[in-house]
Amino acid sequence: DGGITQSPKYLFRKEGQNVTLSCEQNLNHDAMYWYRQDPGQGLRLIYYSQIVNDFQKGDIAEGYSVSREKKESFPLTVTSAQKNPTAFYLCASSLGTSGSWNEQFFGPGTRLTVL
Amino acid sequence: AQKVTQAQTEISVVEKEDVTLDCVYETRDTTYYLFWYKQPPSGELVFLIRRNSFDEQNEISGRYSWNFQKSTSSFNFTITASQVVDSAVYFCALSERNRGSTLGRLYFGRGTQLTVWP
Repeated sequence: DGGITQSPKYLFRKEGQNVTLSCEQNLNHDAMYWYRQDPGQGLRLIYYSQIVNDFQKGDIAEGYSVSREKKESFPLTVTSAQKNPTAFYLCASSLGTSGSWNEQFFGPGTRLTVL
Repeated sequence: AQKVTQAQTEISVVEKEDVTLDCVYETRDTTYYLFWYKQPPSGELVFLIRRNSFDEQNEISGRYSWNFQKSTSSFNFTITASQVVDSAVYFCALSERNRGSTLGRLYFGRGTQLTVWP
């Protein structure tokens, strides 16, 4: 089945540690995105990538880093510089930004808790 | 400034009632796209509808209907005869077509938590 997978579903981290969240898609989509969701805040864009080996900062990129070495993978690293990392993280993908339609498909999310 | 405003933070209804979720957007682009997503308690966002700025026809899909009005920059979502399974957070989102390097990103509203009681 085609779709987006995120792992793990729940992640616990000690303060001061870096952690990497996985996102894989087999939809052959060019574009991938990372969002952070906090209660009452909606979804806020962290980083996005329109093509392999290229990515752009979103609205809240500080304390995060990404890579896009393969089309199907877009891992997100939450670094110790992120002051308040406890949140629900959602990965998404779409066909490509050059298309007329920009429907994004979402993964199941990873809930990160910093202890 | 918020590009997408969902003024209703929470709505509670009793089963079989109709409910309308409001969405107001702001853009200077002439070509744009509007979306609604549903987020059930499991967390994954589920796509419901996409509408482009040149198509103002209202759409109906089963118990769901959408009212797009460019004159008021609104894209409201109505659930008819609501059911308990409709309980979720609903997000409205905007994508602007002509924005260079930001082309393709979605701007989300803060969401409306809908609770349908039996």
